[in-house]
Amino acid sequence: QVHLVESGGGVVQPGRSLRLSCAASGFTFSSYGMHWVRQAPGKGLEWVTVTWYDGSNTYYADSVKGRFTISRDNSKNTLYLQMNSLRAEDTAVYYCARDLRPPYSSTSILDNWGQGTLVTVSS
Amino acid sequence: EIVLTQSPATLSLSPGERATLSCRASQSVSSYLAWYQQKPGQAPRLLIYDASNRATGIPARFSGSGSKTDFTLTISSLEPEDFAVYYCQQRSNWPFALTFGGGTKVEIK
Repeated sequence: QVHLVESGGGVVQPGRSLRLSCAASGFTFSSYGMHWVRQAPGKGLEWVTVTWYDGSNTYYADSVKGRFTISRDNSKNTLYLQMNSLRAEDTAVYYCARDLRPPYSSTSILDNWGQGTLVTVSS
Repeated sequence: EIVLTQSPATLSLSPGERATLSCRASQSVSSYLAWYQQKPGQAPRLLIYDASNRATGIPARFSGSGSKTDFTLTISSLEPEDFAVYYCQQRSNWPFALTFGGGTKVEIK
């Protein structure tokens, strides 16, 4: 079955960097687009970024554009999120999620999610 | 950017009752709307996609309807495990972005 496991979260000071990983198993990772979605404590869901199945296209929320970079290594079945210049407002649980739909479709459907990893930005 | 507005923010009901949750889009999203359920301390779970299609393993008491700007998630008879927060979601292509509604919390009355 599909399994997504995030790691790399922790406490980091404002302005510093952190890299999250999402290890995928149970499906052909290289065939699916992958997203990062975050959730600040006690708040709703916020989409962060997506990468196409082959990494050829990436898109970002305005709130993280220029600071975060999504990437993937299909040979290792792993998704990454490099987070630079972190701010207090980036504090959240970060989830990776699989997109059921191909990139050229009209929508995205997040059919499998990891358990999340908590990032706390604080001095 | 398309904004999704969910109502009510909180729904207080008893087990066995019918729950009706609303999601309104600021412009037409055709039928491209999904619903997710999230319980405390857990990741979201896909319930409904393309407005009315149940995801794999989702019980028949969950149903979705609507198109363009107005959508509804209905739980026909609440089970104890259905008390949770529910989110709707859509995707814009120009510019590319996913958006979620603010959520509806279904709580035990």
